[in-house]
Amino acid sequence: GAGVSQTPSNKVTEKGKYVELRCDPISGHTALYWYRQSLGQGPEFLIYFQGTGAADDSGLPNDRFFAVRPEGSVSTLKIQRTERGDSAVYLCASSIRTAFYSPLHFGNGTRLTVT
Amino acid sequence: RKEVEQDPGPFNVPEGATVAFNCTYSNSASQSFFWYRQDCRKEPKLLMSVYSSGNEDGRFTAQLNRASQYISLLIRDSKLSDSATYLCVVNSGNEKLTFGTGTRLTIIP
Repeated sequence: GAGVSQTPSNKVTEKGKYVELRCDPISGHTALYWYRQSLGQGPEFLIYFQGTGAADDSGLPNDRFFAVRPEGSVSTLKIQRTERGDSAVYLCASSIRTAFYSPLHFGNGTRLTVT
Repeated sequence: RKEVEQDPGPFNVPEGATVAFNCTYSNSASQSFFWYRQDCRKEPKLLMSVYSSGNEDGRFTAQLNRASQYISLLIRDSKLSDSATYLCVVNSGNEKLTFGTGTRLTIIP
């Protein structure tokens, strides 16, 4: 079946611009996670949704970052006034229940480059 | 102190050898543990969960030591296809998986 789909696969933007990253989880998965990964590092937690609500957004680095999941399926990560330090691979993952009980299925990621 | 710590390596190991990685975690309340595998420029994928009694999946053995707060991964009879980064992952009961930096393994023919 279809896996987690993330678009775009690559995004190059100028410092100060706004970007949106999209994640389409596996059908029927209620839990959705956003992570970001810098070179040589492990994935860093950003936010977790259970259904439509953000159950834990403690990993969002500052108020320039925001994520939504209005219908409990597709999620969008939004970054305002991008900075060069935001450059990373943004990974989305979904899970049939929660990460405690079932594995995370990751998408291929969006590679964001801020110039 | 980082919540999850791993030796980043790299580990360069001849084909057929046995290799082991350890990972330590700081939160004694952590309740579930996993090893994920990540190939170069690919997404992480679950390799195996780690159970309290230890568990084995083919050539892979995972163990948990709660007293010392570490988990381990042992790979026997290593294959070229085992070359990857191995990520130690801990869930502290809040549904948030915390990843280590990963241990890079290269199997040498």
